[in-house]
Amino acid sequence: AQTVTQSQPEMSVQEAETVTLSCTYDTSESDYYLFWYKQPPSRQMILVIRQEAYKQQNATENRFSVNFQKAAKSFSLKISDSQLGDAAMYFCAYRRTQMDSNYQLIWGAGTKLIIKP
Amino acid sequence: EAQVTQNPRYLITVTGKKLTVTCSQNMNHEYMSWYRQDPGLGLRQIYYSMNVEVTDKGDVPEGYKVSRKEKRNFPLILESPSPNQTSLYFCASSPGQAHPGPQHFGDGTRLSIL
Repeated sequence: AQTVTQSQPEMSVQEAETVTLSCTYDTSESDYYLFWYKQPPSRQMILVIRQEAYKQQNATENRFSVNFQKAAKSFSLKISDSQLGDAAMYFCAYRRTQMDSNYQLIWGAGTKLIIKP
Repeated sequence: EAQVTQNPRYLITVTGKKLTVTCSQNMNHEYMSWYRQDPGLGLRQIYYSMNVEVTDKGDVPEGYKVSRKEKRNFPLILESPSPNQTSLYFCASSPGQAHPGPQHFGDGTRLSIL
């Protein structure tokens, strides 16, 4: 069974600095998707960034980028120029690509990100 | 506006009193799913549905029921709620057919079972 591990329950960073959130996963599949979701205090689940495993290029969305290391099964999220609005819980999630499978997302436990003004 | 709508957003109730959390999506999505979120555990899937009249268990289905009589609706039913079902619940949908895009989430329902 696939598992996702986020080893940092909480991280803090000074506003305008860069922070990296860690995520590792375990799977025997060769093709899959990885996601980072943000959950602010409003409880909404907001997609931050996604990565297809077959793509070697790391995904980037504005100030958010990932470091995808397929062999190491690592998928870290880097937030540059941190802003107060980035404060939230961040979840790493995995999904298989098999067409006949449950499109279930497997989630990590989350990392609470605190931004210091 | 494309959205997944859950109701209620908050509910406090007592052990054994049947309740239903509704979920509706307006995107004509085939796939719908329910998750529960607990501290330190992330989200875990309760049930999912690949299409109308097709439902199956996720990782933590005990104590829950679902139905999918129409494409847009996927209610979560707690026949006899217990305190261990106190949690934050999310409904999600996606187009299906191995769509790689993100699942669309509702705003969550906070359930407290006393």
